[in-house]
Amino acid sequence: AQSVTQLGSHVSVSEGALVLLRCNYSSSVPPYLFWYVQYPNQGLQLLLKYTSAATLVKGINGFEAEFKKSETSFHLTKPSAHMSDAAEYFCAMRGGGADGLTFGKGTHLIIQP
Amino acid sequence: DGGITQSPKYLFRKEGQNVTLSCEQNLNHDAMYWYRQDPGQGLRLIYYSQIVNDFQKGDIAEGYSVSREKKESFPLTVTSAQKNPTAFYLCASSIWIAGDNEQFFGPGTRLTVL
Repeated sequence: AQSVTQLGSHVSVSEGALVLLRCNYSSSVPPYLFWYVQYPNQGLQLLLKYTSAATLVKGINGFEAEFKKSETSFHLTKPSAHMSDAAEYFCAMRGGGADGLTFGKGTHLIIQP
Repeated sequence: DGGITQSPKYLFRKEGQNVTLSCEQNLNHDAMYWYRQDPGQGLRLIYYSQIVNDFQKGDIAEGYSVSREKKESFPLTVTSAQKNPTAFYLCASSIWIAGDNEQFFGPGTRLTVL
């Protein structure tokens, strides 16, 4: 069975500091991987996706993620945190099936002034 | 503007009542999905549909029903058989269902059982 694990339900960083949100996956087939962001009481917005074209993926709002097959990871980073980055972040995966996405439980990013 | 609309934004239900959540998209997407979100649980798939007049159960379909009579619409009914329906419900769509096709999400409906 495929699964997505996000390490840390809450991550707190100072404004201007590096943001690192961790995501590990388990899949028997090469996965498609996604990062979404959710602001309070809203839907999800796609930040970036991995489709096997390149292991380093750049997304919106200065975020990027690197696919590492050997570590089964797809961690999300941003060099300098901004107050507007405070939100819930979800890592998601689709394996070989034709169904919905498998989501991690989410990481709440807190930005300290 | 193309997008996904969900209504109502907030919904209150008495125990034992069925309620229907609306989801409409004008993106011309074939695939549509319903997810349930609970605090600390991420999103869990309730039902999905690849094409009109076809839908499949997801991981937590018990106590829910759907229909897909039109490409644009995928309503979700929360029945009285759903024991713990209070949650945030998200509808999504994608061009088609497989591969790297990203899902676009609606703004959600928050259901509270009184």
